Amino acid sequence: EEQLVESGGGLVQPGGSLRLSCAASGFTFSNYYMSWVRQAPGKGLEWVANIKKDGSEKYYVDSVKGRFTISRDNAKNSLFLQMNSLSAEDTAVYYCARDGGRSIGGSWYILWGQGTLVTVSS
Amino acid sequence: DIVMTQSPDSLAVSLGERATINCKSSQSVLYSSDNKNYVAWYQQKPGQPPKLLIYWASTRESGVPDRFSGSGSGTDFTLTISSLQAEDVAVYYCQQYYNTPPAFGQGTKVGVK
Repeated sequence: EEQLVESGGGLVQPGGSLRLSCAASGFTFSNYYMSWVRQAPGKGLEWVANIKKDGSEKYYVDSVKGRFTISRDNAKNSLFLQMNSLSAEDTAVYYCARDGGRSIGGSWYILWGQGTLVTVSS
Repeated sequence: DIVMTQSPDSLAVSLGERATINCKSSQSVLYSSDNKNYVAWYQQKPGQPPKLLIYWASTRESGVPDRFSGSGSGTDFTLTISSLQAEDVAVYYCQQYYNTPPAFGQGTKVGVK
């Protein structure tokens, strides 16, 4: 069974850091672009970042550029999100998501984890 | 950046009736080189991650009931639930993947009248 399992969320103070992990199983992880998508409490979905299959290219939403870093370890079937300088606006459930297919543009997301909650508060 | 705007924000439909959700992109998401519309639709139930329903604007994901259908081209797209079932109560999102950053609509909450 194809599966994504996030971990690493929790309560952090403003200005603090957190590292999220996503463990993939049931598919060949290295064959897919991977993304992080977040959802603030009671709000909609917001794409945060994605990373190419081999990790050579990374893209971020403007609001996290310079603060968040996406990375992956294909040998360990794992995706990561290092989050620094956190603020209340970063409070959200963070989902790891796998591309469904990639063409000239980007991709839809065919596989999602259950999410991990990040709360930024003093 | 492309902005996706859904309408309405919420709707209530009687069981067995049709539900229609609209999604408008701020620029065309139709690539002329492959003649494909880069739009997907998702369903999200409380406490669950989103579930993919439709991609390429009208291609139903495997296992998705055929009462769900997608249509549209260019900047205007529609998700239709032909006969609402109780299990379809959820929030629905459109998404463009024409370029980066990929963007979601604000969501449409579908309930039972």
